[in-house]
Amino acid sequence: EAGVTQSPTHLIKTRGQQATLRCSPISGHTSVYWYQQALGLGLQFLLWYDEGEERNRGNFPPRFSGRQFPNYSSELNVNALELEDSALYLCASSLSERDVFQETQYFGPGTRLLVL
Amino acid sequence: AQKVTQAQTEISVVEKEDVTLDCVYETRDTTYYLFWYKQPPSGELVFLIRRNSFDEQNEISGRYSWNFQKSTSSFNFTITASQVVDSAVYFCALIELSNSGYALNFGKGTSLLVTP
Repeated sequence: EAGVTQSPTHLIKTRGQQATLRCSPISGHTSVYWYQQALGLGLQFLLWYDEGEERNRGNFPPRFSGRQFPNYSSELNVNALELEDSALYLCASSLSERDVFQETQYFGPGTRLLVL
Repeated sequence: AQKVTQAQTEISVVEKEDVTLDCVYETRDTTYYLFWYKQPPSGELVFLIRRNSFDEQNEISGRYSWNFQKSTSSFNFTITASQVVDSAVYFCALIELSNSGYALNFGKGTSLLVTP
C-alpha cells in the first residue's frame, strides 16, 4: 500500500513569490494535515483538512492557505514568500471514520522549500 | 506553554549500548494520546507507537520498549542494543481530546547518534 506522497521534493523560490506544495494521502484516508518544520522551531501545525473542508489552522498568517480536493489530495499555498518560510513542509494523513482524534497520523517525505 | 518536553536535545552512544529517550508531557485532559515518531536523515516521519491515556501497559517491540507512567506524566522510549541505523531524530507527540484541532503537539525532538 502506497504511503503519503508529496511533491515536489525540493522547491526553490525567491522572496515575494508563491509556492504550491502537493500531498496525496494514503488510500482510504480522508484527513490531511500540514506541518512546518523550520530550523530551530521544531514541528509546527499548519492546517487540517477533512472531507474537503478546513477544520483547523495553526498560528500562521493568512498567506498560508490550502485546499483539499474531492479525491482527498491537498495543496498548500504560501503567498508572498519570506525568507523565514524556508523549511521542510510535512503532510500527514489519517482515517476519520470514527473520531479523528483517535487516529494515527502517517507522514509523507516532505517538501523542502528554500526561499532566497 | 510547551506541552511536550524532550529535555535531551542530543544523545550519542556506541553501537550495542542501550539508550533511553525521555518525554514529559503536560495536559489537563483525562483522555489523550501519546506518540513516538522517528525522523531519519531522509526527513520522513516514521510512526513508531501510539498509546492512549487509559492504557498504562508498557510495550515492547523488538529492540524498542516504551514506559508510560501517568503519575509522572512521562512516556519514555528505550532502544536496546542500539544500531547505527537507529541514528535519527526522535519526536514525542501528544493529542488531547479538548484540542478540537486534533493537531499533534510535538516535542523539540532528541537527536540520537549511534556510532560503530
